[in-house]
Amino acid sequence: DVKVTQSSRYLVKRTGEKVFLECVQDMDHENMFWYRQDPGLGLRLIYFSYDVKMKEKGDIPEGYSVSREKKERFSLILESASTNQTSMYLCASRWGGNTGELFFGEGSRLTVL
Amino acid sequence: GENVEQHPSTLSVQEGDSAVIKCTYSDSASNYFPWYKQELGKRPQLIIDIRSNVGEKKDQRIAVTLNKTAKHFSLHITETQPEDSAVYFCAASGSGYALNFGKGTSLLVTP
Repeated sequence: DVKVTQSSRYLVKRTGEKVFLECVQDMDHENMFWYRQDPGLGLRLIYFSYDVKMKEKGDIPEGYSVSREKKERFSLILESASTNQTSMYLCASRWGGNTGELFFGEGSRLTVL
Repeated sequence: GENVEQHPSTLSVQEGDSAVIKCTYSDSASNYFPWYKQELGKRPQLIIDIRSNVGEKKDQRIAVTLNKTAKHFSLHITETQPEDSAVYFCAASGSGYALNFGKGTSLLVTP
């Protein structure tokens, strides 16, 4: 079974703090993704990576950055957290190419006060 | 990037009825169209997908149809059951690696 593990299920941070969300997959997948999920807005793509050290912006990259130093790990960084970044963050991975199943982690619910 | 519109946002059906969810996409280069189901408090999971060289695909009670000319695709669930209640997301993958999702449809199947 594919396992996508997100380091924290629940986080509470203060405005202006730097936040790291970690995601690790164990299936040697090339592609990894970060989405945020908000009620009524669905799943919005923040960043994705199709190879180690490669990254591309999704639809809402502002206020976020990512790091992929190793194939199995994809980190989402909020340089200076703001209240409008309070959300559920979902990491996903899949094999290479632009088709095929996305395997999601359980999500990280971030609250910024 | 790819823009995926999904309708309706909520859908309520009686057990045993059919449910249809529709999506449109903007990028004519899109070639992969999956559907995900997310039960309350759980992660989204793939239930069916279709590629651009196929017009229809079926898996037991669920089917997906694709109209490339009109740039729309639909999910059909027949003989709905209470356990079909969930949020359903359509998605489209264009020429790059990104997978863009619709806003979701909350399906409620009442006994």
